[in-house]
Amino acid sequence: EAQVTQNPRYLITVTGKKLTVTCSQNMNHEYMSWYRQDPGLGLRQIYYSMNVEVTDKGDVPEGYKVSRKEKRNFPLILESPSPNQTSLYFCASSPNNPKTQYFGPGTRLLVL
Amino acid sequence: AQSVAQPEDQVNVAEGNPLTVKCTYSVSGNPYLFWYVQYPNRGLQFLLKYITGDNLVKGSYGFEAEFNKSQTSFHLKKPSALVSDSALYFCAAPDTGRRALTFGSGTRLQVQP
Repeated sequence: EAQVTQNPRYLITVTGKKLTVTCSQNMNHEYMSWYRQDPGLGLRQIYYSMNVEVTDKGDVPEGYKVSRKEKRNFPLILESPSPNQTSLYFCASSPNNPKTQYFGPGTRLLVL
Repeated sequence: AQSVAQPEDQVNVAEGNPLTVKCTYSVSGNPYLFWYVQYPNRGLQFLLKYITGDNLVKGSYGFEAEFNKSQTSFHLKKPSALVSDSALYFCAAPDTGRRALTFGSGTRLQVQP
C-alpha cells in the first residue's frame, strides 16, 4: 500500500531532550516536507526537500533540523525542544513538486 | 506572495442539505488550487484540485469545487451533506517560488443528523 508513515504517533517529552520524528514514504517520491498544525493557524511548513541531500527552510524552521540521506526517509529533529514546539506534526511527500501531496497520519508532540 | 483565505472557522449544516465551504485566493499567474480534508485523528487527504479547464471540479466523496476567477474564489460544495462529512477542510495553493503549499487556516464542518 502506498503510504507515508510517521513514528512515533504520540510523544511526551521534556524541555531540552533531543528527539527525532521519523518519516518514510514508499512511493519513490522526490519531494518531501514537514508541517506543523496549530489551532487557528492551519498548516505551516517547517522544512522541505526537493530530492536527496537537497533541503530548504519553510515558514517556521527555527528549532528544527532535517536530513535527507535517502529518498524514502525525511526525519525531523528537535535538538532542544521547547514548550512552544508542542504541536501536531505532519510529514508529506509528492512525486516531483509540492502540488498534490500525500500526508502521513501525524505525530502529536507535547513538550513539558 | 501566494495566499489563500478561509473566512469561516466553522460551518454547520443539517444532514441532507447542501454545503459550501468558502475559500478565496490571491495568486499570481494561473492558479493551482487544492482542497484537503482532515478527519479526526487522521492526516490530510487530497479531495480535489483545479489546474485549468472547467470551472467546476469534481473530487472524492461527492465533493466538487467551483473556481471563480472574477471573485478569486474556490468554494467547496456538496449537494447533500452526510454526518460522515464532518471534518476539518483546508484550501491550499502552491507557492511556486518556495516550492511549498500554502494552506488556509481551515474550516471545521459540522453536519448535524
